[in-house]
Amino acid sequence: KAGVTQTPRYLIKTRGQQVTLSCSPISGHRSVSWYQQTPGQGLQFLFEYFSETQRNKGNFPGRFSGRQFSNSRSEMNVSTLELGDSALYLCASSLDAMNTEAFFGQGTRLTVV
Amino acid sequence: AQRVTQPEKLLSVFKGAPVELKCNYSYSGSPELFWYVQYSRQRLQLLLRHISRESIKGFTADLNKGETSFHLKKPFAQEEDSAMYYCALVSYGNKLVFGAGTILRVKS
Repeated sequence: KAGVTQTPRYLIKTRGQQVTLSCSPISGHRSVSWYQQTPGQGLQFLFEYFSETQRNKGNFPGRFSGRQFSNSRSEMNVSTLELGDSALYLCASSLDAMNTEAFFGQGTRLTVV
Repeated sequence: AQRVTQPEKLLSVFKGAPVELKCNYSYSGSPELFWYVQYSRQRLQLLLRHISRESIKGFTADLNKGETSFHLKKPFAQEEDSAMYYCALVSYGNKLVFGAGTILRVKS
């Protein structure tokens, strides 16, 4: 079966712009989580969606938002980009809860200039 | 607060030597712990989880609640084990909390 697909793979944006990242989970998976990965902070949880509802949110500012569609696909949006938002953004999907296996996408590399 | 600590940023061993990647956690309650691995240019993937008590690619990890540890071990390292290893736990709200990761380098 197809794995978790994230698009685009690379993005370069300017400070102040906004960006939308997309994640298609494995077919049948209803839980989608987003993580930010940076050399300094490692992997940090952004939020998790299940059946179109945000179940949990990490400690990120309100500029970071997301949503999930009825087909479980998820999008993440970052508004008013800052240089510090440059990171690899990873999406993970699982059948239900995260205590089952989480499958990760390849990530979207966002560079803010 | 829930926290996962991996004290070593880099662990370098020779092929055939034993490997132990350390992981300590703080969590009130019964934790669910995992080891994830990321090989070069590949996506992050699950290596093993404590609830399964399985051995994957020769790796094992035992949950020690007294010492709040979940160290990853392999008796004989192979060059293909070279990768970044992350210890993680499932926290409240169904989120994975990761350690900082340890780079394992197996030298020939």
